[in-house]
Amino acid sequence: DAGITQSPRHKVTETGTPVTLRCHQTENHRYMYWYRQDPGHGLRLIHYSYGVKDTDKGEVSDGYSVSRSKTEDFLLTLESATSSQTSVYFCAISDPLQEGPGGYTFGSGTRLTVV
Amino acid sequence: GNSVTQMEGPVTLSEEAFLTINCTYTATGYPSLFWYVQYPGEGLQLLLKATKADDKGSNKGFEATYRKETTSFHLEKGSVQVSDSAVYFCALPITGGGNKLTFGTGTQLKVEL
Repeated sequence: DAGITQSPRHKVTETGTPVTLRCHQTENHRYMYWYRQDPGHGLRLIHYSYGVKDTDKGEVSDGYSVSRSKTEDFLLTLESATSSQTSVYFCAISDPLQEGPGGYTFGSGTRLTVV
Repeated sequence: GNSVTQMEGPVTLSEEAFLTINCTYTATGYPSLFWYVQYPGEGLQLLLKATKADDKGSNKGFEATYRKETTSFHLEKGSVQVSDSAVYFCALPITGGGNKLTFGTGTQLKVEL
């Protein structure tokens, strides 16, 4: 089921360059999230969106920005990539009215390496 | 704020062994509790949930009971299979709206023949 897709799946970039990751959903869910997954830290919330043009910060938002110009797309931008941003990035969607509270659907992830 | 603590892994078991992965939480009130599973190379999937105290969530032979007295939501399975090898995450909502979740650090399970 391809209700949520992330692109690219893998990316290697150089320190100091901007990088944009894309999350696309076909479920018309209201909420979208970006998490990063690192060993020993589990998943940490970067930013989330609760509607078109409505976004807010999570616990590890420094160095990241997001945009949501359409319901289906949520973009994560690393303004100037650093080695500490090497991670696996997951997008998730939810709609508590449809799925109940906390019922997330995750994308397959983007593995980003900053060299 | 709300948080979860999981037992560290990896946990290595033989096929058909009994599994327990511990999860304890700190929360305001009695929020819903969740277990998510991540198979190798994939995103997380919701495994089970419990929406109120004393509820038992179950799915695919896994169970977890919401125990407010011990603030715990331990994941159990009576007989694990090699196909259960994955990373398991306990999660609960973050206060402040947005339907946000906070996740534990994950427990890796390896099941061997």
